[in-house]
Amino acid sequence: NAGVTQTPKFRVLKTGQSMTLLCAQDMNHEYMYWYRQDPGMGLRLIHYSVGEGTTAKGEVPDGYNVSRLKKQNFLLGLESAAPSQTSVYFCASLETNTGELFFGEGSRLTVL
Amino acid sequence: GQQVMQIPQYQHVQEGEDFTTYCNSSTTLSNIQWYKQRPGGHPVFLIQLVKSGEVKKQKRLTFQFGEAKKNSSLHITATQTTDVGTYFCAAASFGNEKLTFGTGTRLTIIP
Repeated sequence: NAGVTQTPKFRVLKTGQSMTLLCAQDMNHEYMYWYRQDPGMGLRLIHYSVGEGTTAKGEVPDGYNVSRLKKQNFLLGLESAAPSQTSVYFCASLETNTGELFFGEGSRLTVL
Repeated sequence: GQQVMQIPQYQHVQEGEDFTTYCNSSTTLSNIQWYKQRPGGHPVFLIQLVKSGEVKKQKRLTFQFGEAKKNSSLHITATQTTDVGTYFCAAASFGNEKLTFGTGTRLTIIP
């Protein structure tokens, strides 16, 4: 049971480049989330999804897009990367019975 | 939006001393969760508190939810080196659809 898997784990981009982070979960969870973590800022919600085909904005959505075409996958896209998007990105899925969030191992993105 | 304040930001303790982190919300919460993140790792769920005034224990960890459901605390008795990490509270609203995380308390242990 892999849980929540994020790819890639590390990426370096130049300003203006685009990329997609992939999150996959094998727990049949409906709810999935993308967070970013910056020093001293905790975890801030970027976008989330309450089911296949749905997405919603979180706390800091600007500069990001998401898609949830399949229940098990939640993609986070950066269309034109900026240095301010240098961060560690975490995907999570929710076990609704217990309220527990299961996190992936994180993706460290550096934008030069 | 919902604000969740967590203090202190950093705590350095001698091994064997106690440690407490506090979480305060500007609004009444439906429930609150606590997570631990080891250095270089990802957040891992510790517990969820739902009831007003609730107290739960996990070995040396004691979690409390305030009577007004606006604050919570995590207390560790007799810290050990394995307790090192950052502890986050996460406040839930409207059926756990979104969780707002506190800024975290980073605990370091002096052997």
